[in-house]
Amino acid sequence: KQEVTQIPAALSVPEGENLVLNCSFTDSAIYNLQWFRQDPGKGLTSLLLIQSSQREQTSGRLNASLDKSSGRSTLYIAASQPGDSATYLCAVRPGRDSQGGSEKLVFGKGTKLTVNP
Amino acid sequence: NAGVMQNPRHLVRRRGQEARLRCSPMKGHSHVYWYRQLPEEGLKFMVYLQKENIIDESGMPKERFSAEFPKEGPSILRIQQVVRGDSAAYFCASSRPGNSPLHFGNGTRLTVT
Repeated sequence: KQEVTQIPAALSVPEGENLVLNCSFTDSAIYNLQWFRQDPGKGLTSLLLIQSSQREQTSGRLNASLDKSSGRSTLYIAASQPGDSATYLCAVRPGRDSQGGSEKLVFGKGTKLTVNP
Repeated sequence: NAGVMQNPRHLVRRRGQEARLRCSPMKGHSHVYWYRQLPEEGLKFMVYLQKENIIDESGMPKERFSAEFPKEGPSILRIQQVVRGDSAAYFCASSRPGNSPLHFGNGTRLTVT
């Protein structure tokens, strides 16, 4: 059964700092991995999607990497800003061999990031 | 291009009443998913639908919960005889066919009193 873990559960940093959020998953048979941002009381905003054949994706100050064999992904945020404060969620789409060709995403519990001005 | 639209944003129901949650997917998206987020918990998959078909409902409780995605109109998640434990945020997502990213709505926050 696929399980996703995110460490740390919460992180507080001063503005301008570069930071890394970690995500690990137990079954390396995945189709893709997606990072989301969730603001309090709001829905999820998709940040980056990495296909299983890819090693990383970049969007602005965000860079996500994927090491499928070790079951790990990182989200790197450069030059953090107070507006980056949110909960960041990692989700994997299990591959056909692990959970029957599932369309469903398996989520971690998230890392709550606070960037202090 | 409007995103995934969910309504209502907030819903309060007394125990035993019915709750109906609506979701209109993004234009061009034929796949709809419902997820539930309990307080301090991650999102949990409930059901995956395509037009007029339930593809995977493995995450949905066997009783009181049902979902549909009719040929015309929004997808509906229906909870009958709600209990306090149903209080949660319910998120809908949609996607195109294939290995495509999911796009989420802002959710419906259900409170059962």
